[in-house]
Amino acid sequence: QVLLQQSGPGLVKPSQTLSLTCVISGDSVSSNTVSWNWIRQSPSGGLQWLGRTYYRSARSQWYHEYESSFKSRIIVNPDIGQNQFSLQLKSVTPEDTAVYYCARHVAWFDFWDQGSLVTVSA
Amino acid sequence: YVVTQPPSVSVAPGQTATIPCGGTDIGTRSVNWYQQKPGQAPTVVIYNSADRPSGIPERFSGSKSKSTATLTISRVEVGDEADYHCQVWHSTSGDFVFGSGTRVTVL
Repeated sequence: QVLLQQSGPGLVKPSQTLSLTCVISGDSVSSNTVSWNWIRQSPSGGLQWLGRTYYRSARSQWYHEYESSFKSRIIVNPDIGQNQFSLQLKSVTPEDTAVYYCARHVAWFDFWDQGSLVTVSA
Repeated sequence: YVVTQPPSVSVAPGQTATIPCGGTDIGTRSVNWYQQKPGQAPTVVIYNSADRPSGIPERFSGSKSKSTATLTISRVEVGDEADYHCQVWHSTSGDFVFGSGTRVTVL
């Protein structure tokens, strides 16, 4: 059973960087068959995929892929030693207020954490 | 790439709920469906357009045509009341795309 546990501040000021970490239990961030993702849910209720990181041994390479509209201000990185991955979202505005989820993707998103509300406000 | 869902569907207990998810050539894509109850993270109820994970009742089924994927819930129960989100992978952009979600209300 995979367990994901997220941590990070619940309040971020506008123009600052939102930083979240997701610790993985029951799997490895270096797994060759899955990817590790960040997804958010706005107050209106829709889910939005933000980005992911994953490793593929065939090329001994880490991949980082981001939703088109976030590419200029998002970083998703693995931390192999701590078996976790992180999200950095720069230059936030109140529109970035949402519940943020970390999730594992196989051919679908099969394990999610419980979600964390991040509010962007002065 | 945009996928569209109606904001709400209402159904009486024991009846059938049909939730559409529209998108260009969605029939050529693998569609996943998630159920989300208040205060909880989403959980998959249908993957690969029509497959059910273990533990999901047979009352939940998925299908698709050229431009619409559909989640069908037969013999609806009060416990099925939730938001349902469709999701696809857009190969051109590499993005995972979610629909806006449909709230199923059991009358």
